[in-house]
Amino acid sequence: EAQVTQNPRYLITVTGKKLTVTCSQNMNHEYMSWYRQDPGLGLRQIYYSMNVEVTDKGDVPEGYKVSRKEKRNFPLILESPSPNQTSLYFCASSIQGAGELFFGEGSRLTVL
Amino acid sequence: AQSVTQLDSQVPVFEEAPVELRCNYSSSVSVYLFWYVQYPNQGLQLLLKYLSGSTLVKGINGFEAEFNKSQTSFHLRKPSVHISDTAEYFCAVSRQGGSEKLVFGKGTKLTVNP
Repeated sequence: EAQVTQNPRYLITVTGKKLTVTCSQNMNHEYMSWYRQDPGLGLRQIYYSMNVEVTDKGDVPEGYKVSRKEKRNFPLILESPSPNQTSLYFCASSIQGAGELFFGEGSRLTVL
Repeated sequence: AQSVTQLDSQVPVFEEAPVELRCNYSSSVSVYLFWYVQYPNQGLQLLLKYLSGSTLVKGINGFEAEFNKSQTSFHLRKPSVHISDTAEYFCAVSRQGGSEKLVFGKGTKLTVNP
């Protein structure tokens, strides 16, 4: 089954404790992206990757890092999480040029 | 750059009534347009998309949308809703032939009441 898999789905952590949210897709997509969803703000892009070893900032990249060492994986790293990063995070992937994103189930992160 | 405005943050309707969720976009270049649906505690699922061709697009679950270039709109419609259509709906736009950066609206929460 074609899918985008994120882990963990739920996480409660404390300020300053580094964490990584993993994302993996099995559709051989070139493009991957991370979004955060907050009430009243919709989805905002954090980072995206056009291909392996190519990443770029989205609209709200502060406090986040990403890497794209393999085509299928695109982890999101929070080096020193803060409470304003409490949010619902989505990973998504796409075939180049198709314009349609496939989303993971989401990871709900709470930073205390 | 592209932007999207969803004109209603919440739309309550009764079961079997028709519904229209409004979406306007802004762009200086040709665009692709999408509607996504998010059911409670789930990820986003593509409902329908406009890439080119016919301006009336049919999607899953009986939804359809019409691309109106002169009014820069892409409103979503369903002639008769069900309780199971209760969800949040997002309109999104991307540049044709671009980098798939989807710009999302803030969402419309559709609540279908019995």
